[in-house]
Amino acid sequence: DQQVKQNSPSLSVQEGRISILNCDYTNSMFDYFLWYKKYPAEGPTFLISISSIKDKNEDGRFTVFLNKSAKHLSLHIVPSQPGDSAVYFCAASATNFGNEKLTFGTGTRLTIIP
Amino acid sequence: SAVISQKPSRDICQRGTSLTIQCQVDSQVTMMFWYRQQPGQSLTLIATANQGSEATYESGFVIDKFPISRPNLTFSTLTVSNMSPEDSSIYLCSGMYPSEWGYTFGSGTRLTVV
Repeated sequence: DQQVKQNSPSLSVQEGRISILNCDYTNSMFDYFLWYKKYPAEGPTFLISISSIKDKNEDGRFTVFLNKSAKHLSLHIVPSQPGDSAVYFCAASATNFGNEKLTFGTGTRLTIIP
Repeated sequence: SAVISQKPSRDICQRGTSLTIQCQVDSQVTMMFWYRQQPGQSLTLIATANQGSEATYESGFVIDKFPISRPNLTFSTLTVSNMSPEDSSIYLCSGMYPSEWGYTFGSGTRLTVV
């Protein structure tokens, strides 16, 4: 049972344009969401997170939006740069229920075209 | 930011043998986790490493196959026992820090079983 889903396995975006990565979840107890970036042969690197009490969090070029009613979150990268090419994972936890372990999505491979 | 050291970074092992992976964090963490990423798949939690006591395993993972130790707050080991080619994966250590909600990951151990 995949509780966190990223339905697009890959995405290609022109350099300088906006990249939008999507993530859906099914477990209504999830209350904390994170995005990670992963290069080959490296561990995931934390990008940005959002608590369920918010609907938007911004950090530089990265913005995460949360729609709780739709159980959907998205990561916006503006402007996209060649160094953003990587695999992006969304993850979720149910921290208010004492469950800090992360459940990961299947990942989206983002390719930025120069 | 927090740094997690994991070794070895990669290994090629014969089936039937065991490999122990070490994870060292640079400051006190509240929780440590071990994940597995099989080829083309997402990250799957193996277990939560508990200091001075038995790890808490996720469904589908057992102590006999993946014994875990955490003798102190900043060090943990994962052993992959009696390996088969199906155990070929990237194994990742992760720490959760009290001062940040971005879980930090080690660089991973790429295991190939032949």
